[in-house]
Amino acid sequence: EAGVAQSPRYKIIEKRQSVAFWCNPISGHATLYWYQQILGQGPKLLIQFQNNGVVDDSQLPKDRFSAERLKGVDSTLKIQPAKLEDSAVYLCASSYGQGREAFFGQGTRLTVV
Amino acid sequence: GENVEQHPSTLSVQEGDSAVIKCTYSDSASNYFPWYKQELGKRPQLIIDIRSNVGEKKDQRIAVTLNKTAKHFSLHITETQPEDSAVYFCAASWVGGGADGLTFGKGTHLIIQP
Repeated sequence: EAGVAQSPRYKIIEKRQSVAFWCNPISGHATLYWYQQILGQGPKLLIQFQNNGVVDDSQLPKDRFSAERLKGVDSTLKIQPAKLEDSAVYLCASSYGQGREAFFGQGTRLTVV
Repeated sequence: GENVEQHPSTLSVQEGDSAVIKCTYSDSASNYFPWYKQELGKRPQLIIDIRSNVGEKKDQRIAVTLNKTAKHFSLHITETQPEDSAVYFCAASWVGGGADGLTFGKGTHLIIQP
């Protein structure tokens, strides 16, 4: 089966600019997650969707980050305005549902200069 | 919220020897504990997982043990091979209430010396 697709793979922006990441989960996966992985650390959950509804966004910095999953399939994560500390790899993952294996995409490496 | 501590941060072993990575978690409600392997520049991939109703699980050269009382779990890799070199992450979550996103440890860089 096709894996989780993410784009772009790399992005360099200046601080205070905005950026958006796109994720296409594995077909049939109802649950979608966005994680932030700072260099040398484990992934940190930002937001979890179940179909097109938000299940958990308690760790999402809502003053600058937003995410949506229209129609319960593809998802976008946006940062506006970006800060230097947002430099990280943004990973999208999907699963069939609770407690099922989460499959990760290749990630988008964001560098804020 | 959940907090996962992972040790050691770097582990170097001779090819053929065993490797053990240990994690502790803080939330006694956590009931799902996966381990992910991440090679440089690649996506994390699940290698084994264990649920709280099981004390041990094995898959060929890989095994995971769970001690719910002490709130710690460990990854054991036997007969290590060069392709085992990677960063390994433990994680924990509570499955049953809707939100089951993973809390990860900081990772262990496993180096297999030839």
